[in-house]
Amino acid sequence: AQSVTQLDSQVPVFEEAPVELRCNYSSSVSVYLFWYVQYPNQGLQLLLKYLSGSTLVKGINGFEAEFNKSQTSFHLRKPSVHISDTAEYFCAVSQSGDNDYKLSFGAGTTVTVRA
Amino acid sequence: NAGVTQTPKFRILKIGQSMTLQCTQDMNHNYMYWYRQDPGMGLKLIYYSVGAGITDKGEVPNGYNVSRSTTEDFPLRLELAAPSQTSVYFCASSYAGVKDYGYTFGSGTRLTVV
Repeated sequence: AQSVTQLDSQVPVFEEAPVELRCNYSSSVSVYLFWYVQYPNQGLQLLLKYLSGSTLVKGINGFEAEFNKSQTSFHLRKPSVHISDTAEYFCAVSQSGDNDYKLSFGAGTTVTVRA
Repeated sequence: NAGVTQTPKFRILKIGQSMTLQCTQDMNHNYMYWYRQDPGMGLKLIYYSVGAGITDKGEVPNGYNVSRSTTEDFPLRLELAAPSQTSVYFCASSYAGVKDYGYTFGSGTRLTVV
């Protein structure tokens, strides 16, 4: 089974400042990694995903994440945040290969962007 | 194209009552899922289905039941509501694995059991 630990439950940040959200995973098999965003009173939307290849992946809205296999991490970054980035962010993992249809989610990180 | 539709959006139940949370998708997705979201706990998988007539338990199935008689519908049944089932419930679907197709989420059902 796979599991995900998001190391920060809340991250306050000022507008135009950079932000990093930390995610570590645990798995005995190869995995796919994902970041989802949930805006207030909405469902989750995919920000980006790592499947294989380049360890730096770029997603929507200027977000990027770096996969580090030795540290089993998949941290999310944005160089300059906007008020509209205020949301909850979830790191998720699935088993790679034929059984990749189930996602396990972390507990979430709430990002609050202040002017 | 409606995507994943969940009804109702809000509901208050009394302890011991039963109800069904409805989930419908119009994308011909094979896979459907029910998650519950609790503060500080993230999303936990309740049940999932890989096709009509096939369902299986997730991490937290106790107190819930599901059925999948059609590709489009995946209702979640609470038989004897308990305060521990107060949560936000999300239905999601995918055509196949998350690698290529990802999940499409509904907007959620906020359930309070009193």
